[in-house]
Amino acid sequence: QKEVEQNSGPLSVPEGAIASLNCTYSDRVSQSFFWYRQYSGKSPELIMSIYSNGDKEDGRFTAQLNKASQYVSLLIRDSQPSDSATYLCAVNQGTYKYIFGTGTRLKVLA
Amino acid sequence: DAMVIQNPRYQVTQFGKPVTLSCSQTLNHNVMYWYQQKSSQAPKLLFHYYDKDFNNEADTPDNFQSRRPNTSFCFLDIRSPGLGDAAMYLCATSRREDTRTDTQYFGPGTRLTVL
Repeated sequence: QKEVEQNSGPLSVPEGAIASLNCTYSDRVSQSFFWYRQYSGKSPELIMSIYSNGDKEDGRFTAQLNKASQYVSLLIRDSQPSDSATYLCAVNQGTYKYIFGTGTRLKVLA
Repeated sequence: DAMVIQNPRYQVTQFGKPVTLSCSQTLNHNVMYWYQQKSSQAPKLLFHYYDKDFNNEADTPDNFQSRRPNTSFCFLDIRSPGLGDAAMYLCATSRREDTRTDTQYFGPGTRLTVL
């Protein structure tokens, strides 16, 4: 079983819709959780971090964490074509190591 | 603006010809990481420095070496690049004061092509 799993997509949503990206992780000791956006040929850019169960909102982005279910998600409201990218989920277990998923490719259709 | 800088952004080398990639940071972070990322794959951690302490991942080939001469700079040396080493190389930093809230920030990456 992979340590961090994401559906590779592509996830296609129409412009203005809500995009929902999901991530599951296997290690229960994981402490912190991150969403990075990566445009093709570019480096990952931090979108959100979340450390506690529940929701965390930042502009059009909401991260949701459920440690009991070992599940973290990212909602993007009012999706724009510029949101089209690969979204990487990363998990830190309280050590130096960040475990990345392979990413979900999001396509926002104009 | 505080940032992570990588040079060059694009590097072309010949099979077997040594190459050095550089990373610098103005964030004053004590941890610097090197990742390799191939197309449609997750970033793969090669090694990291915690201050001057070097930590190599078990599966990082000997062909990859690193140097950190000071807090701000870190180098990735590929001694004899093979075709399989063509990838995006990402430098990242983190502060590591609080392991629970530690956050990693990436530089723009160096795209390595091996001919």
